[in-house]
Amino acid sequence: QQPVQSPQAVILREGEDAVINCSSSKALYSVHWYRQKHGEAPVFLMILLKGGEQKGHEKISASFNEKKQQSSLYLTASQLSYSGTYFCGTESAWSGNTPLVFGKGTRLSVIA
Amino acid sequence: ETGVTQTPRHLVMGMTNKKSLKCEQHLGHNAMYWYKQSAKKPLELMFVYSLEERVENNSVPSRFSPECPNSSHLFLHLHTLQPEDSALYLCASSQDRGLPGELFFGEGSRLTVL
Repeated sequence: QQPVQSPQAVILREGEDAVINCSSSKALYSVHWYRQKHGEAPVFLMILLKGGEQKGHEKISASFNEKKQQSSLYLTASQLSYSGTYFCGTESAWSGNTPLVFGKGTRLSVIA
Repeated sequence: ETGVTQTPRHLVMGMTNKKSLKCEQHLGHNAMYWYKQSAKKPLELMFVYSLEERVENNSVPSRFSPECPNSSHLFLHLHTLQPEDSALYLCASSQDRGLPGELFFGEGSRLTVL
């Protein structure tokens, strides 16, 4: 079952912050985040494994709340280059061999 | 350069045509994938190959036929497609299927079925 992402779309001005959420009804083993710019390949951002860890990637970080089966992606002091569609992909907890199931994506637009 | 190259980038075909999509990865990975990306839908996994063996077939219609001749190349053979098959087809690779690792995607082949 695919994870649910929210919001579906968001518009930011440069320098503003945003949070993108990814929720699943199933127990999760890992959450993956990708960004896809228009006409380009999706690009890996980070993986979070169960254990409630938080990771950072420049001004983009993420957390994984195992109890809530939810991950949040935090974008701080947004830049024009952050524009794109953000996807979360999840693996269910019972096996690391299950393929990723992706959400529908969150379209982020950063304007000057 | 993403390390995963897909050709052609754009393809227009009629419902009676036969065509193929090609994917090549230069990363030394052991697993390769085909995903379908349609407008307003999530990325849908179609096929997974691990060490050239098909390990996943996600209820994909038989008009899509994958082929993995070696660990660097993956094909998707198309025949008698329907207009609803129009989409972006993405190839991806990863080091190993069994590890929670990064997927490296190609830029995709945009398919239009008339």
